[in-house]
Parts: sequence; structure tokens; C-alpha cells
Amino acid sequence: SQQGEEDPQALSIQEGENATMNCSYKTSINNLQWYRQNSGRGLVHLILIRSNEREKHSGRLRVTLDTSKKSSSLLITASRAADTASYFCATEANGANSKLTFGKGITLSVRP
Amino acid sequence: GAVVSQHPSRVICKSGTSVKIECRSLDFQATTMFWYRQFPKQSLMLMATSNEGSKATYEQGVEKDKFLINHASLTLSTLTVTSAHPEDSSFYICSANPQSEAFFGQGTRLTVV
Repeated sequence: SQQGEEDPQALSIQEGENATMNCSYKTSINNLQWYRQNSGRGLVHLILIRSNEREKHSGRLRVTLDTSKKSSSLLITASRAADTASYFCATEANGANSKLTFGKGITLSVRP
Repeated sequence: GAVVSQHPSRVICKSGTSVKIECRSLDFQATTMFWYRQFPKQSLMLMATSNEGSKATYEQGVEKDKFLINHASLTLSTLTVTSAHPEDSSFYICSANPQSEAFFGQGTRLTVV
């Protein structure tokens, strides 16, 4: 069953604005990961945050993790039209042996 | 990062025929690979875990006789959709996790007519 639940399900912003996407999950996890998918393509790994980490940065990406609330957020700063894609959070549960559970995804549209 | 190659990217087949999809890890060995199915505008649903040298582990509700998985080498896993029907039309994606992050193939768009 799908564990991750992202919100909003769809987000439309203007180029240059920041985009914030949230993800909630239900079980204890080893790590939480964010992926990006362009239409009709495979997924690309963006960033991984471990259960003992609270915040992580990678370029224009900032991820937070709150294990007490079982939630994570992905912030994309200074968005670009090329950031238009679907974004998924995925969790690796404790003892899951690399098996990931994906959320429903967020469709981000960045208007030029 | 690691490279996973999936082939074919698109396939159209007639109802009742079988289709084989290949997933290769190009620059690392993968004892485990994962097969997902994705419907339009929906998330990835894990179908099965492919284990090199042993039987695949299928998720609940996935018919193992319908979706045959073979993982005969450390760099290749195949998914065969047997006796395909229009409802099997979907986007199938494989992945391998050499470390914690997953590397995905490009996906296969299967259309059964």
C-alpha cells in the first residue's frame, strides 16, 4: 500500500518563485527520498534524508524531515520552467531492505 | 550515478501475446531489482522484487504466473507479461538500489491492442 502522501497534488507557480511540497508517511523509516519524473520517463533521484537528519541541501533543493510528525518537505528555490515535472517522495521502512514505498506524487508546473 | 537501462521503451502487442521487458544495470551488479507499474497520473506501484538466482517476491495482488520475472545474472532482470490483455496496458519501470537511492530505467510503455 502507498505510504507517502504528498500535498498539494498539483502546484502551479511563476518562474522565480519557490515551490514547497510536503509528504507524510505512516511507519518508522530508515530514510526518505525525493524523486522527479518527467512525463513518460523514468524517475530521477533528487535527494535522500536519513531518519537521524533534520535538514539537507542540494543546490536549489532543501529537504526537511520531522520524524515526530512523520512528514517531510521539499523546497525548490528560484524555480525554473525546466523544474516542471512530477515529484514523488519515497520511504524506506525499517527492515525494508531497500524496498521503497512511493507517494502519489505532486505535479509541479512552473510558468515562464 | 549508476545507470539502469530498460528496453524496449515502447511496445505495442496484440491481445494474447507475451511481451518481455529487460532491465540491465550497466555499471554495477544488482542482486536485487524492483519492478513497478504506473498508471497515468498515478504513483508507482511495486509489483515484485527480483532476486538474482532465486524466485522473485511478488506483492499482494500481483499474479506471478501473469508477470514472470527472471533474474538470471547480476546485471539483468526480465519481466514477461504473459497472455497480455488491454488492461495490462501501462507504464512499467524497473529500478535497482546499489546503495540507498534507487536508479530507474527509462520505463516501458506497453500498449495491448
